[in-house]
Amino acid sequence: DTGVSQDPRHKITKRGQNVTFRCDPISEHNRLYWYRQTLGQGPEFLTYFQNEAQLEKSRLLSDRFSAERPKGSFSTLEIQRTEQGDSAMYLCASSLNPGSSYEQYFGPGTRLTVT
Amino acid sequence: SQQGEEDPQALSIQEGENATMNCSYKTSINNLQWYRQNSGRGLVHLILIRSNEREKHSGRLRVTLDTSKKSSSLLITASRAADTASYFCASWETSGSRLTFGEGTQLTVNP
Repeated sequence: DTGVSQDPRHKITKRGQNVTFRCDPISEHNRLYWYRQTLGQGPEFLTYFQNEAQLEKSRLLSDRFSAERPKGSFSTLEIQRTEQGDSAMYLCASSLNPGSSYEQYFGPGTRLTVT
Repeated sequence: SQQGEEDPQALSIQEGENATMNCSYKTSINNLQWYRQNSGRGLVHLILIRSNEREKHSGRLRVTLDTSKKSSSLLITASRAADTASYFCASWETSGSRLTFGEGTQLTVNP
């Protein structure tokens, strides 16, 4: 257990529905990252926050995806109008500021299946 | 793809043997990290090597870095069945703010 938690662990939804995932990082970590991982591939960066500010979004992140980190604590990732191609593991990671530490602590992931 | 490449994609060895995995990346880096992922779980950080380092050890792990070739290798000595997992390298670009992961090596250690 790295101290990063994600909820839910599994989500099955029908195409066109909206889904929201939650990530609770390690409390003193001010950086929070979201990744997407498909079977047999490495994690692909989606977005990251420094405290409550969203500083970078991947070009992979379509307009259907939105992420928030109110008050710089937990974060949510919402996918609107889900498509079958959204089926993947969604990973959250937290870290201290780079320069202090580059190591990232990952949660167990949320596995999304879109039917 | 922005991801690096790892070689081999899959590796199967017997317990007690050594396992070597290689990774290539594309840009100038600040550091390179290796992570482990058990099936269906999150990633766990194993070791970090900075761009000015050539070799680093941690327990049964040895990592090398060749910045001129933009490549790294991870050696696991005296492997155990519990080492069975996927191993990913991840590079932190010099001017970057995040990690870029490779495609991973699936290691199977047979008892």
